[in-house]
Amino acid sequence: AQSVTQLDSQVPVFEEAPVELRCNYSSSVSVYLFWYVQYPNQGLQLLLKYLSGSTLVKGINGFEAEFNKSQTSFHLRKPSVHISDTAEYFCAVTLNTGGFKTIFGAGTRLFVKA
Amino acid sequence: GAGVSQTPSNKVTEKGKYVELRCDPISGHTALYWYRQSLGQGPEFLIYFQGTGAADDSGLPNDRFFAVRPEGSVSTLKIQRTERGDSAVYLCASSLMGTVNTGELFFGEGSRLTVL
Repeated sequence: AQSVTQLDSQVPVFEEAPVELRCNYSSSVSVYLFWYVQYPNQGLQLLLKYLSGSTLVKGINGFEAEFNKSQTSFHLRKPSVHISDTAEYFCAVTLNTGGFKTIFGAGTRLFVKA
Repeated sequence: GAGVSQTPSNKVTEKGKYVELRCDPISGHTALYWYRQSLGQGPEFLIYFQGTGAADDSGLPNDRFFAVRPEGSVSTLKIQRTERGDSAVYLCASSLMGTVNTGELFFGEGSRLTVL
C-alpha cells in the first residue's frame, strides 16, 4: 500500500534559522511529489512539486525540496525562515496509475519564533 | 478567476441526521476530489471523480457516505445517519486533467461539519 510519512509533527525554529521538514513515501508505482502549505484559517495551497527531471525543485516563498529516489524521500528546506512561514506543511504523493489519487502525510507544524 | 467554492462553510447537525455538502470546482477542471481532515491530521482521501464518474471511491469509510457529480461540474457529498465521529472538515479540490497532467490540486476552504 502507498503511504506518506512526515517524521516530525512539530518543528519549532527561530526566525532566520534554516529548517528542514522531512517526508518519506512508499509506493509500488510511479509518483509525483508535492508539498502543500496551510496557513492559519486558510485552505491548502501548493508550495512546490516534483514531476520529473531535476531532483531539486524550487517553490514559492524561498522553499525548495529534493527528491531522493533511493531513499524515497522528498524533504522540504528553507535556508532562512520568517515569522510568516508559521503554518502546517503537508507532503503529498500522487499515484500515476492512469488516474491521479493523491495521498497526504499527517502534516508538520512549523512554528517560527522571534 | 473563481477558485473552488464549498458550501456551507459550517454545518452543525444532530446525530442521526442527513447532511449534504456541496463543491463547485474551478471551471474547466475535469477532476474533483473529496477529502476529510480531522483535527491535527492530514487530509484523508475519500473519493475522486473524472468527469461524471467516480474513478476511485476507495476512501469512503462506509455506505453512509455517498458522492455524486451528475453533470461533471458541481459535486455533492452526502452523509446519512451522521455520527459524532463524522465531525471533521470536508475538503474539496479540483484539478485540470488533459495532455499535461501535473496532478496539482486546487482546494476550497472546506466545510466544517460538527455532529452533536
